[in-house]
Amino acid sequence: GAGVSQSPSNKVTEKGKDVELRCDPISGHTALYWYRQRLGQGLEFLIYFQGNSAPDKSGLPSDRFSAERTGESVSTLTIQRTQQEDSAVYLCASSLAGGNYGYTFGSGTRLTVV
Amino acid sequence: GDSVTQMEGPVTLSEEAFLTINCTYTATGYPSLFWYVQYPGEGLQLLLKATKADDKGSNKGFEATYRKETTSFHLEKGSVQVSDSAVYFCALSDAGNNRKLIWGLGTSLAVNP
Repeated sequence: GAGVSQSPSNKVTEKGKDVELRCDPISGHTALYWYRQRLGQGLEFLIYFQGNSAPDKSGLPSDRFSAERTGESVSTLTIQRTQQEDSAVYLCASSLAGGNYGYTFGSGTRLTVV
Repeated sequence: GDSVTQMEGPVTLSEEAFLTINCTYTATGYPSLFWYVQYPGEGLQLLLKATKADDKGSNKGFEATYRKETTSFHLEKGSVQVSDSAVYFCALSDAGNNRKLIWGLGTSLAVNP
């Protein structure tokens, strides 16, 4: 597609359940980021994929969070045993290698843990 | 570590007023600098960027100049419109750290007719 696609757009889950969020980056973009945006706050880096290099997982807040990427395409972010503080908008962005070209963001997944 | 500081909002202006949103940064290398905009109900969009000192990014009447001597990248527009109401984020791309984006907290702008 023309842009970065994320699904689902909204997800309400019960505390303790696992959730999986999906991101389809722009074709040809080797760099892919996951960010979290809590209400009224800035963006919090979670994880970065660049081509076949080992991902930078330094932003993942706990071992309940994990992410995978298949080659240079789809990525999934999994949150296990969700907690209420996980409620946020999860944003995916992709870019051509190097990042100086700017990043294209998806519309995000709004996660609400009840 | 690298960081971005931008002025707190909300900023409220009348249509056709001059806009400045301040952004300063700290970085050990030579980052690229960005302004992103998030319109109500929409995703983040790249507004403009500058990749080296003294570069000026511009788009939709907005401008920002990469000032290495003052470590600043202030966003300006000469005459704002109601449609410019949005949240504006300043960010840097850390050249030495996988080009990870470091973000400011965002500045909300409301333009009244």
